Amino acid sequence: DGGITQSPKYLFRKEGQNVTLSCEQNLNHDAMYWYRQDPGQGLRLIYYSQIVNDFQKGDIAEGYSVSREKKESFPLTVTSAQKNPTAFYLCASSTGGGGYEQYFGPGTRLTVT
Amino acid sequence: QKEVEQNSGPLSVPEGAIASLNCTYSDRVSQSFFWYRQYSGKSPELIMSIYSNGDKEDGRFTAQLNKASQYVSLLIRDSQPSDSATYLCAVIPNTGNQFYFGTGTSLTVIP
Repeated sequence: DGGITQSPKYLFRKEGQNVTLSCEQNLNHDAMYWYRQDPGQGLRLIYYSQIVNDFQKGDIAEGYSVSREKKESFPLTVTSAQKNPTAFYLCASSTGGGGYEQYFGPGTRLTVT
Repeated sequence: QKEVEQNSGPLSVPEGAIASLNCTYSDRVSQSFFWYRQYSGKSPELIMSIYSNGDKEDGRFTAQLNKASQYVSLLIRDSQPSDSATYLCAVIPNTGNQFYFGTGTSLTVIP
């Protein structure tokens, strides 16, 4: 089955720890995205990548880092510098960088205490 | 000014009625528009995309785009309780590749 997988579904961490969220897709999509969703708010873009070994900051990149070493994978690290890391994190992919439909993975719910 | 605005609702309609969801956007030259459905605790799923003025129909769903008035709407005919969800509008401004999402409209279909 083609799709986007994110793991784990739920993640709990102590404040001050870095944590890496996984995102893998087997749709052969070129572009991948990371969003954050907080209760009552829309999705906000953290980082996106249109090709391997290249990525751009979104609106709320501070405190996050990414890598794109393989077309299929786009992991997101939430660093200790992120002031309010507790949120629902969503990974998406699309066939191209602009004007194309994005498809979402199931999401990772991160709780930091 | 927000890029994309939606009425947060909640919007309640009886089963079998037409639900109308609206979205306005600020970038006059935006070209790409999308509607997503998000069930509570789940990720968004794409319902429809629309790129040209007018209506686009897919089953019980119709997207309507009016670029002159800068709004896009989603009509759900014969609403079912399973349509109860939050509906997100997304727009790609002409300036780049980034999606901008509205905060979503919560829809409840009452049996």
